Formats: sequence, structure tokens, C-alpha cells
Amino acid sequence: DAMVIQNPRYQVTQFGKPVTLSCSQTLNHNVMYWYQQKSSQAPKLLFHYYDKDFNNEADTPDNFQSRRPNTSFCFLDIRSPGLGDAAMYLCATSRGAGEAQPQHFGDGTRLSIL
Amino acid sequence: GEDVEQSLFLSVREGDSSVINCTYTDSSSTYLYWYKQEPGAGLQLLTYIFSNMDMKQDQRLTVLLNKKDKHLSLRIADTQTGDSAIYFCAESMGVNTDKLIFGTGTRLQVFP
Repeated sequence: DAMVIQNPRYQVTQFGKPVTLSCSQTLNHNVMYWYQQKSSQAPKLLFHYYDKDFNNEADTPDNFQSRRPNTSFCFLDIRSPGLGDAAMYLCATSRGAGEAQPQHFGDGTRLSIL
Repeated sequence: GEDVEQSLFLSVREGDSSVINCTYTDSSSTYLYWYKQEPGAGLQLLTYIFSNMDMKQDQRLTVLLNKKDKHLSLRIADTQTGDSAIYFCAESMGVNTDKLIFGTGTRLQVFP
């Protein structure tokens, strides 16, 4: 059974039209991450939540926002998508700092911009 | 700075062993990971090794770690066509964080 679930798998939006991607987890992990992955590249971390604490990467554009209303759910909001934002968006979770804490990934949402 | 490098492509015949290599630079890394990504899918955790270990074996997978040279390898025995994918190594950034630095990824192609 999938433990990190991303919806939808494919999302199409118009240039400049706000879009929200969702992620849920059944692992009860403390940390949730959002990555952007473009073709043939490694995933690029956008931000992560440690519980309710939001941690933004320095080079994440202001156009990208996130919300985590509870432990299980985390959302990625793109306020005004540009053509360069077309990518695969990956959500991941981990238990938290301390011992080995592998990140567990969802299957991703592929975002297309028209 | 922090950088994780991998060769871009590897092509092997079905049934042979595959060895995917990775070099990293952060000596404070505590754990090193291998992930597999099939087309259109997320990253699947394959295995990981603590930095004070030299080797870890899990069924067809063997991870070797050379701390002196900061070199990590993943050996896949009896490679199958289903092993065709992109393989990412990743290092954790320190003791008190789960953040990862990913390598560039190696595309493994297995041919009959």
C-alpha cells in the first residue's frame, strides 16, 4: 500500500493560473519535503516542514509556497506558474533527525503548463 | 562545497553484474543512500549505509563505502531488464538533519 500519496499524478494548468499539488502520508512522519525534478536531473529541494516549522531553501522562488495543516497532509502552491515550472514535483517524508532517517517518496505529480 | 557525482550512463547485458559509482565530498555525512527511479515514478529507496561501515549486502545489492576516497558503489548481481532505471546516490547533510544531497543520477540500461 502506498504510504506517501500524491494527487493528482498529472496536472495541467494555464500560464499564470494558480495550482495546488497535494501530498498525504500514512507513516506519521515528522518531516515532509517538496522537490522539483526536471528531465534528466536530480531532485531539487524546494522546502520542508519539520512538524509545523517551515524551512525554505534559499534559492526557492517566491512563487512557490507550502502549507501543512496537519501531520498527514502537505500542499505545494504555485501562485503564478510559468513555463519554466513545468516539471515533476516529488513529495517525501522522513521520521525526523537522530538515527538513520531515509526519505520515502511518493510517485510524484507531473505538472504541465499551457 | 558539497557535491555528489556519478557517471551518467551504464549499459550491461542481462545476467551480468552492474556497478554504479558515486563520489561525495562532505566528510561529515552520516548516511549514504541509493535510490532507484523508474520512468514517470518517484524515488524508491533501495538501501543505505552508515558512514562507519565498509560494506552492506542486501540480496542482489552490495554497497561498498571507501571513506578515505569518499567513494560509494552499488553492485547489482544478476542484473535483470527490470533493473533498468536511473539510480541516485545521496548523502545526508549531517547528524541533526535529514536533508539529502543527491548525485546527478546514473541511467542503467540492461539489454538482453
